[in-house]
Amino acid sequence: DGGITQSPKYLFRKEGQNVTLSCEQNLNHDAMYWYRQDPGQGLRLIYYSQIVNDFQKGDIAEGYSVSREKKESFPLTVTSAQKNPTAFYLCASGGMYQPQHFGDGTRLSIL
Amino acid sequence: AQSVTQPDIHITVSEGASLELRCNYSYGATPYLFWYVQSPGQGLQLLLKYFSGDTLVQGIKGFEAEFKRSQSSFNLRKPSVHWSDAAEYFCAPDTGRRALTFGSGTRLQVQP
Repeated sequence: DGGITQSPKYLFRKEGQNVTLSCEQNLNHDAMYWYRQDPGQGLRLIYYSQIVNDFQKGDIAEGYSVSREKKESFPLTVTSAQKNPTAFYLCASGGMYQPQHFGDGTRLSIL
Repeated sequence: AQSVTQPDIHITVSEGASLELRCNYSYGATPYLFWYVQSPGQGLQLLLKYFSGDTLVQGIKGFEAEFKRSQSSFNLRKPSVHWSDAAEYFCAPDTGRRALTFGSGTRLQVQP
């Protein structure tokens, strides 16, 4: 079955550490997205990519970085510059003006 | 500023009762509109979408939504709620920046 796979499901970060969240899709979608969700809040866009080797900052890109070397993959790195990284991170894929399909999320916590 | 508003943070309905979740947006042009549902600790599932044409759209799980241009609204409705509908619901316009903007969500609780 086609879909989006996020890993790991739970992740812990130590102070000063960078961590990378994985997102893979086999839906052949051109576009991929990263959102952050905090308790009681909607999703906020971190980064998105419409095509391989290109990506754009979303609303809250500071402290995060991404790469898009393959169509299927869009990993997100939470850097030590992100001072409040504890959140639920959701990856999605889709096309222009098309519904987005979401993964099951990664919950990041601070040790 | 462009925005989307879901005025109801939390709604409780009895099982079998009807449901309406509100969504208002403020954009210059009519955006594409989506409703998503999220169960606790899970990703989001698309309920329905509006692109153009008939302003009443049908979705999965018995949900429907009506686009009202004059009111800049896209309210979600269900005639009879089931206990399994308890979840969080998000309205999300696509305003043309090639990414969705999500409302803050409405948490639905269903009483037996």
